[in-house]
Amino acid sequence: GAVVSQHPSWVICKSGTSVKIECRSLDFQATTMFWYRQFPKQSLMLMATSNEGSKATYEQGVEKDKFLINHASLTLSTLTVTSAHPEDSSFYICSAGRLAGAPDTQYFGPGTRLTVL
Amino acid sequence: QKEVEQNSGPLSVPEGAIASLNCTYSDRGSQSFFWYRQYSGKSPELIMSIYSNGDKEDGRFTAQLNKASQYVSLLIRDSQPSDSATYLCAVDTGRRALTFGSGTRLQVQP
Repeated sequence: GAVVSQHPSWVICKSGTSVKIECRSLDFQATTMFWYRQFPKQSLMLMATSNEGSKATYEQGVEKDKFLINHASLTLSTLTVTSAHPEDSSFYICSAGRLAGAPDTQYFGPGTRLTVL
Repeated sequence: QKEVEQNSGPLSVPEGAIASLNCTYSDRGSQSFFWYRQYSGKSPELIMSIYSNGDKEDGRFTAQLNKASQYVSLLIRDSQPSDSATYLCAVDTGRRALTFGSGTRLQVQP
């Protein structure tokens, strides 16, 4: 159990376009999902925390109007990179926690590699 | 000071040896600690979680936590070439999101 999927696994787009990334928990309900970004040879940096039915909480320095997060159900969260630019090229990874309010384990999706030309 | 610190390595060990990976954290309120393994181009894969002081063993892996020293370690016994990867230490300071260290690259020489 505890499988998290992401779609697409990779995407190449032109500068100025928007890209939507989906994160799904396949066999459990996740009240909270997290979005991370990883640049080459760097560690994962938390972008935002996504709670089902409420607005996402963004980390300092992350533009909420550029990275739109929607957590419409207990199994789906989406990240939309609006007006993408080459500096947004990165590895985007989501994770989902099994339980709310308790020390729990996060399970990561396989990641989405975004390349903006 | 970084919140979670790891030696970037590479840490090179011969096949069959014990690999010892270390991590320190700055927030004394941290509650949950995790070790993830990440292969190049892939997302992190959970290896161990530990919440209380002491040792926790799972197969060839042992996690050690010392909250007084703010120190977490991971021991890998009988290291295999397939263990070669970057190992990420992650800490939950109580808000459920994880803060990651920069990772230690492990190379197991056959």
